[in-house]
Amino acid sequence: NAGVTQTPKFQVLKTGQSMTLQCAQDMNHEYMSWYRQDPGMGLRLIHYSVGAGITDQGEVPNGYNVSRSTTEDFPLRLLSAAPSQTSVYFCASSPRGGSSYNEQFFGPGTRLTVL
Amino acid sequence: KNEVEQSPQNLTAQEGEFITINCSYSVGISALHWLQQHPGGGIVSLFMLSSGKKKHGRLIATINIQEKHSSLHITASHPRDSAVYICAATQGGSEKLVFGKGTKLTVNP
Repeated sequence: NAGVTQTPKFQVLKTGQSMTLQCAQDMNHEYMSWYRQDPGMGLRLIHYSVGAGITDQGEVPNGYNVSRSTTEDFPLRLLSAAPSQTSVYFCASSPRGGSSYNEQFFGPGTRLTVL
Repeated sequence: KNEVEQSPQNLTAQEGEFITINCSYSVGISALHWLQQHPGGGIVSLFMLSSGKKKHGRLIATINIQEKHSSLHITASHPRDSAVYICAATQGGSEKLVFGKGTKLTVNP
C-alpha cells in the first residue's frame, strides 16, 4: 500500500493564482482531513470529510475549497492564492470513527509558497 | 490560550537520558494522540490513548483524564529520537484534532 500520497511536494504560486493540492489514500479510510502547518503554530485543521460526498469546515477554512467524490481522493483547492497561504499542507486519513478511535495517517506534505 | 499546551518547547538531552514531554489540555476529549515529526517533515502517529498507559519499545505514553494531562517518555534516548513531538487532542463529540505547538527534542551523542 502507498498509504497517503500528496502531490505536488513543492509549489510556488503568484498572488491570485489558483491551484489544487492532491491527496489520495489506498487504505479505504472514510475520514480524511487537510491541515496547514506554520512556524510557531500547531497544525490547524482546514477542512475534513467523514465519507464520500460529505465535507465540513475546520478551524481555518477561508480561501480553500474541498470536495470528496470518491473514498480515495480529497483534493484541496486554493481559489485565489494569497501570501498568507504560504505554508506546509498535510493531508491525513483514518478509518471510520476518525481520530476519536483511530490513529491518523499523514501524507508527506506539500510546501507552498505564494509570492 | 491554546487548548493544548506542551512543555517544554525545546529539549536537549545526552544519549541515554530519560526524556519526558508533557501535554495539558483544557477541553473534554475522547482521545489523545502523540505524533512524531522528523526533520524531513513527515508526521507519524506514535500513540492514541484515551486512558491509562501504552508502551511501544522505548516509548511510553500515559494519560490522566482527571488532571487533563498526558506525558510521553523516552527511555535510553538515542540521537535518532531527535524530532519534534506533537500532542493532539480529539475534542469530545467531534472528530476534530486540536494540536499543541510541538516539542523539539535534540539528543546529542
